[in-house]
Amino acid sequence: EPEVTQTPSHQVTQMGQEVILRCVPISNHLYFYWYRQILGQKVEFLVSFYNNEISEKSEIFDDQFSVERPDGSNFTLKIRSTKLEDSAMYFCASAVNNRELFFGEGSRLTVL
Amino acid sequence: GQQLNQSPQSMFIQEGEDVSMNCTSSSIFNTWLWYKQDPGEGPVLLIALYKAGELTSNGRLTAQFGITRKDSFLNISASIPSDVGIYFCAGLTSGTYKYIFGTGTRLKVLA
Repeated sequence: EPEVTQTPSHQVTQMGQEVILRCVPISNHLYFYWYRQILGQKVEFLVSFYNNEISEKSEIFDDQFSVERPDGSNFTLKIRSTKLEDSAMYFCASAVNNRELFFGEGSRLTVL
Repeated sequence: GQQLNQSPQSMFIQEGEDVSMNCTSSSIFNTWLWYKQDPGEGPVLLIALYKAGELTSNGRLTAQFGITRKDSFLNISASIPSDVGIYFCAGLTSGTYKYIFGTGTRLKVLA
């Protein structure tokens, strides 16, 4: 069964460093998303991406964050200068039609 | 902002029992999704609901889209140990791309 894959599964970084999280969405999906989940808390929306542009973003998704679909298969989330409070699980999701979202296994980011 | 409250927050049940949980909001939603999340893993889609009043089943799971469009319900019949996990509802408002996730219901099953 097709699935969303994410790399790395765990990344440890120093505060102030740049981080890129990678996702390969399900191949025929057109809508892409990043969500995050701080340990023990609910899943929070970061950004949605459709037709090669951001379609919606949350207040969490500030200038330190960016997304890209560089080659038609990967979908990346970049955090330019990480802060301690960026430590969380980051989930990529994709959908055919912005209705049923399928999530990856997540990338755990630890900022020291 | 929009909030989805799930109830109960957590529950312990005996294997074989039926489980009911709900998700409520003061906002109206056009689509409801129900997910299960195991520790350290991503949410797995269980059921999708698109119309007020809709009742949809997936094996032992049944979910309903509330008539007011401000709530949704999930029932699990004859629970088994692998039902353990956190169940999240997620609601989508018309014209947006942002699913709002609920606070989660943690289910623990006693064998």
